[in-house]
Amino acid sequence: GAVVSQHPSWVICKSGTSVKIECRSLDFQATTMFWYRQFPKQSLMLMATSNEGSKATYEQGVEKDKFLINHASLTLSTLTVTSAHPEDSSFYICSAPSWETQYFGPGTRLLVL
Amino acid sequence: KQEVTQIPAALSVPEGENLVLNCSFTDSAIYNLQWFRQDPGKGLTSLLLIQSSQREQTSGRLNASLDKSSGRSTLYIAASQPGDSATYLCAVPTGANNLFFGTGTRLTVIP
Repeated sequence: GAVVSQHPSWVICKSGTSVKIECRSLDFQATTMFWYRQFPKQSLMLMATSNEGSKATYEQGVEKDKFLINHASLTLSTLTVTSAHPEDSSFYICSAPSWETQYFGPGTRLLVL
Repeated sequence: KQEVTQIPAALSVPEGENLVLNCSFTDSAIYNLQWFRQDPGKGLTSLLLIQSSQREQTSGRLNASLDKSSGRSTLYIAASQPGDSATYLCAVPTGANNLFFGTGTRLTVIP
């Protein structure tokens, strides 16, 4: 089956720094990728849709200037959390569709001190 | 707006029991429904994908059913094992090709 990777798997940073998370589709191309966020003991919530060659689409309540998304190629999307604060600490998961099936990355745990 | 609810939110059962997890959705215009497993601090593992034209889908000890008209799906786990302990999420596709996730059921199987 299709494989999606994420890097890094976990990151700890100081408040005010920026953190970049990569999402790669390893054996298929994806013109669209999705970024989800999951707070402790809660379900996954869609943050934004990453579109190759055009701007990302953000869900209501998600700040586009804080969560920068760049779909650099058909196999790579990056999410940059700018000026991270402790409330941004969460589990970030990306997914990419292939033939009507969503394939999920293993997730990135972000802890902002 | 689609709402996906899972009941119960948490469940503890002794090893060997059969159990049923429930998922309900408000908008029945879906073309499939997917069940995932998530271990603590980990990503998602797809368990079963059931198409809207199907009523059931089976994989090993797992059986998922889908009733679009009533907006419900169930995940049946037979002969539960401690290794089945995890959070189980159901999800339905949105019109934008992403997934809308349920609230999850945290399952603990006691040895």
